[in-house]
Amino acid sequence: AQSVTQPDIHITVSEGASLELRCNYSYGATPYLFWYVQSPGQGLQLLLKYFSGDTLVQGIKGFEAEFKRSQSSFNLRKPSVHWSDAAEYFCAVGGFNFNKFYFGSGTKLNVKP
Amino acid sequence: DGGITQSPKYLFRKEGQNVTLSCEQNLNHDAMYWYRQDPGQGLRLIYYSQIVNDFQKGDIAEGYSVSREKKESFPLTVTSAQKNPTAFYLCASSIQVAKNIQYFGAGTRLSVL
Repeated sequence: AQSVTQPDIHITVSEGASLELRCNYSYGATPYLFWYVQSPGQGLQLLLKYFSGDTLVQGIKGFEAEFKRSQSSFNLRKPSVHWSDAAEYFCAVGGFNFNKFYFGSGTKLNVKP
Repeated sequence: DGGITQSPKYLFRKEGQNVTLSCEQNLNHDAMYWYRQDPGQGLRLIYYSQIVNDFQKGDIAEGYSVSREKKESFPLTVTSAQKNPTAFYLCASSIQVAKNIQYFGAGTRLSVL
């Protein structure tokens, strides 16, 4: 069965520091991969997506993610975190043979001044 | 502006009462979804619909019902059979099920009186 794992439930980084949020998936073929961000009490907003092609994808708000097929990973990165990045981040998986999206359990990011 | 509108933002349910959450989209998407979000549990799929007049159970459909009579509307009813309805409910849509970007509404917070 397909699954998505975000191993870090909470992460705290200092403002200006770099950030990497981990996402691993379980699926035989290459899925469609997504990162979403959620502010408290709000819906989810798409940060970036990977369907095919270049394995390093750029998104909004200065985020990027790299698809590594050998590691079944799609980690989210940002070189310098801003206080406004504090939110919850969700990795999601879909694909051509899927009948639904699979979401990770989320990573809550706290940013220290 | 295209998007997904959920209403109401806050909803209170009395014991034994059915309540209906509204979800409307003007993105011309075929697929629509309902998710339940509880703290620390990520998003769990309640129901999804690939096309008008069709819908499928998700992972936690018990105690919920839906209809899809119009392309733009996918209301969710939380029935009295759902014994623990307190949660944040998110509606989403995409062009096709699991193959495209999902767009989310701002959510409805349901509480029990």
